[in-house]
Order: sequence, then C-alpha cells, then structure tokens
Amino acid sequence: DVKVTQSSRYLVKRTGEKVFLECVQDMDHENMFWYRQDPGLGLRLIYFSYDVKMKEKGDIPEGYSVSREKKERFSLILESASTNQTSMYLCASTLEAGGVDEQFFGPGTRLTVL
Amino acid sequence: GDSVTQMEGPVTLSEEAFLTINCTYTATGYPSLFWYVQYPGEGLQLLLKATKADDKGSNKGFEATYRKETTSFHLEKGSVQVSDSAVYFCALINTGTASKLTFGTGTRLQVTL
Repeated sequence: DVKVTQSSRYLVKRTGEKVFLECVQDMDHENMFWYRQDPGLGLRLIYFSYDVKMKEKGDIPEGYSVSREKKERFSLILESASTNQTSMYLCASTLEAGGVDEQFFGPGTRLTVL
Repeated sequence: GDSVTQMEGPVTLSEEAFLTINCTYTATGYPSLFWYVQYPGEGLQLLLKATKADDKGSNKGFEATYRKETTSFHLEKGSVQVSDSAVYFCALINTGTASKLTFGTGTRLQVTL
C-alpha cells in the first residue's frame, strides 16, 4: 500500500523560529510537492521537486525553502516563522514529472505560529 | 494562468439525496481533470479523474464527465450517505506543467440522517 508520511500532525512554534516539516514517501516517486491549505483558498503550491536536489518554486514560495537530499524525503523549511504561516501543510508525491498520475497525499501537518 | 472554480459550500443534504457539486475550469491546451476528497482529519485522496474530453470518471458511486464545450467537470452522486461527508476539491493538471495540480477552493459536504 502506497504511503506518504509527515513528521508531525500538529506543531506549535514561536515567531522567528526555524521550522522543519518532513515528508517521506515509500513509492520510489520522482515528483514531490508541498502545499498549504487555508479555508476559502483551497490548496496552493509552495514548492515541488522532480528529482533529488532539484526544486522549483510554486505559486507561493516566499518565506519558504525546501531540501531534497534523498529521493524519498522532501523537507519544507520556514527560515523564520511568522504568524501568517499558520496553516495546514500537505505533502504529496507522484510517480513521474510531466504525467497525469494520481498524487498521493500525506495526512498533513497543522502548524500554529504564535 | 490555469484556474478552477467550484461552488461555494457548505452543502447540506439528507441521506439518499442527489448530489451535484459544480466545477468549471480555465486552461489552455488539454488538461486532465480530477476530483479529490478530504475526509475529516485526513489528507486528500483521489476520487476520480478524466484525461480527455467526454471521458467519464467514476468511483464509489460518484461520477463526473469532462465537458470541453462548457469547460466543466461537475461531480454527481445519485444517493449520498453520511459517510460521504467530506471536503471535495476539483483540480486540473495541464500539459507541460510538470504534473502540478491547480485546485479549486473546495466544497464541504455535510450529509445528515
């Protein structure tokens, strides 16, 4: 059974802290994505990666960075957390770039920045 | 750029009622269309998809037909159950976009007994 896991379901951080959100997939997928989900806005793409050490900006990359050192792991980094980054963060993966295959989602991390 | 518009929620229905959630899109080229569902406390999961005009996707009693002439992909179910209560997202992937999904804002469905 395919699986995308995220390191935390709930996280509370303080303004200015550096925050790491981890995502791991066990399906040998090439593509991985980070989204944030906010009420009334749906899901918005932050960053994606189509290969190890490769990354591309999504629609809202400001205030975020990513790291993909291994194929199965994709990390989202908030360099200096701010209250407007309070949100639900969802990781997803898909088999290969450029295809129309299903994206598999993790359960999400609800981040609160105080 | 690409965009997806879906009906505002919440939608509240009684069990066994007929469901329609409207979805329209704007995209150049020939996108593939998807419906994802998010049950409470969970991530999203694919409900159904259609990759070309006039295709019908179906799963778990839900259906949606890719209508290029009206740029629509409306979700329907003939008889909803309480267990269908969830948030439903319409989305598209356009060709040449590295498999990036463009989502609608989501529609919350609440089914009551």
